[in-house]
Amino acid sequence: DAGVIQSPRHEVTEMGQEVTLRCKPISGHNSLFWYRQTMMRGLELLIYFNNNVPIDDSGMPEDRFSAKMPNASFSTLKIQPSEPRDSAVYFCASSLRGQYSNQPQHFGDGTRLSIL
Amino acid sequence: AQTVTQSQPEMSVQEAETVTLSCTYDTSESDYYLFWYKQPPSRQMILVIRQEAYKQQNATENRFSVNFQKAAKSFSLKISDSQLGDAAMYFCAYLGQKLVFGQGTRLTINP
Repeated sequence: DAGVIQSPRHEVTEMGQEVTLRCKPISGHNSLFWYRQTMMRGLELLIYFNNNVPIDDSGMPEDRFSAKMPNASFSTLKIQPSEPRDSAVYFCASSLRGQYSNQPQHFGDGTRLSIL
Repeated sequence: AQTVTQSQPEMSVQEAETVTLSCTYDTSESDYYLFWYKQPPSRQMILVIRQEAYKQQNATENRFSVNFQKAAKSFSLKISDSQLGDAAMYFCAYLGQKLVFGQGTRLTINP
């Protein structure tokens, strides 16, 4: 079974540009998570979806960040306009989340984003 | 809010020796899960081991085992017979309503 697939693996762009990160969760998983990892703040949950519906976006840093999940097999995280402080590794993870069971999250390989 | 604390930013161990990584957490929830994730230089996040809070028996996965002390809210990871491939960042994580990570412990294996 293919794992969580993220693209691109690396992204370098100039500040002010729009950045779109993509994620394909594991087939059959009903929850999807976006994380940001930096040296200073560690791993931070940005937003998570359950059955394609955003449940908690309290971790999204500001209005420049937006995330969508148009269907069960695809999600995007968009930053517009991007700033140098957005430079980080962005992870997508998915899991099977039920009423009585929380399965572990499986992570993609991450996207290393560098904003110049 | 739940918090996870890893008090050891860095640890090192001789190859083939045993090392224990510490983790404590704070929660008022009674039902939750605990995980250890490994992040090698390739930056993948790899699940190492999981523990359900309702289970008293400590989880074991080959050379990896945990010491889960629910009353003390402690969840340490023991790696036996350390191998060079075990070198990585190790993150302790708590899963209740959300998955909350500790700051990580960088483990170095000395040959």
